[in-house]
Amino acid sequence: QKEVEQDPGPLSVPEGAIVSLNCTYSNSAFQYFMWYRQYSRKGPELLMYTYSSGNKEDGRFTAQVDKSSKYISLFIRDSQPSDSATYLCAMSNGGATNKLIFGTGTLLAVQP
Amino acid sequence: GAVVSQHPSWVICKSGTSVKIECRSLDFQATTMFWYRQFPKQSLMLMATSNEGSKATYEQGVEKDKFLINHASLTLSTLTVTSAHPEDSSFYICSADPGQGAKNIQYFGAGTRLSVL
Repeated sequence: QKEVEQDPGPLSVPEGAIVSLNCTYSNSAFQYFMWYRQYSRKGPELLMYTYSSGNKEDGRFTAQVDKSSKYISLFIRDSQPSDSATYLCAMSNGGATNKLIFGTGTLLAVQP
Repeated sequence: GAVVSQHPSWVICKSGTSVKIECRSLDFQATTMFWYRQFPKQSLMLMATSNEGSKATYEQGVEKDKFLINHASLTLSTLTVTSAHPEDSSFYICSADPGQGAKNIQYFGAGTRLSVL
């Protein structure tokens, strides 16, 4: 079993839809959670950063962390064609190595 | 803020030659930088962790003599692919961790596409 599981998609939605992206994990020591967006042939761009459980909102993006269920989500409201990209979840236990454990990424296509 | 610059963005080289990729944190100091490799439609594969002034820590299965990493300053790390071969063709991405106050966040460069002929 992988430490972090993420549905690879692809996920296709019409413009304006609400998008829900999810990751599950098995390591209860994870306490730092991130979502990155990666356009084709580009480096990942940090979208959201959350420490421990709870919700965080930034514009059209909302990140949720449920540590009891070992489940994190990213919601995108009013999705736009420019949101079409691969979304990677990443997490860490805050250890000395500072390594991030990544999900496989979900490919999202927002149709105009 | 938190900009990481990576150069070159694309390099083509002949088999047997060496290629150097630079990774710079432009507006912050990074005690730790990371090097990843990414195959098409796959997630990031960590190759090594680089700390300023010390030897890099390589992940299992990554040849340290093949992929030389130097982290000479708090803002610069380099990856040299030595004696490159076609199987080394890939997308290489660096990241930098700003450290305190932004626990475990990594900011990524734009990546380098390496094509070995």
